[in-house]
Amino acid sequence: SAVISQKPSRDICQRGTSLTIQCQVDSQVTMMFWYRQQPGQSLTLIATANQGSEATYESGFVIDKFPISRPNLTFSTLTVSNLSPEDSSIYLCSVDNSFGQGYTFGSGTRLTVV
Amino acid sequence: QQQVKQSPQSLIVQKGGIPIINCAYENTAFDYFPWYQQFPGKGPALLIAIRPDVSEKKEGRFTISFNKSAKQFSLHIMDSQPGDSATYFCAARVTSGSRLTFGEGTQLTVNP
Repeated sequence: SAVISQKPSRDICQRGTSLTIQCQVDSQVTMMFWYRQQPGQSLTLIATANQGSEATYESGFVIDKFPISRPNLTFSTLTVSNLSPEDSSIYLCSVDNSFGQGYTFGSGTRLTVV
Repeated sequence: QQQVKQSPQSLIVQKGGIPIINCAYENTAFDYFPWYQQFPGKGPALLIAIRPDVSEKKEGRFTISFNKSAKQFSLHIMDSQPGDSATYFCAARVTSGSRLTFGEGTQLTVNP
């Protein structure tokens, strides 16, 4: 199955700034998914990123706050903009492996906004 | 329609016990039901998955039981070990390549 390298693993950011999270996959994948996981909670899908097209955002998430880039089939970035303490969370990227291998997740980015 | 309901929220068993985690869904279009294991500070890792044409799947000490008519599926961990202490998530998906819908998670503690 695919291997994902997600960076940074953690960061502490000032209110009002932005953080860009990167996910690099070791194989070409069509769809990449970005999730948010608040402490002790389940995973909530932010958006689905398809190479060559605009990301599709879930209800409650907007492009101005969570811009996503997907320049090729192995890489994507999620930016969390205009940070507030409510954005403190774990952010995860995920891909659907080919041939029924299931979905692989990155190790996550723990964001703390102060 | 897209929800997956998971129970219990937390579970404590003794080593060697058989914890059972249950999930229920409403959307009959779901065609893939994985279970994920997550340790603190790590991303979820796929444990085992089942499709609705199968009633049971076993991989090592982990077994999924699937009841299509009841729209329920469960994870059983045989001979549980302290190293199994983690958070477990069930999930479901409508079609290949589409998003996963996750249950609320179960925090499992296996005492020595």
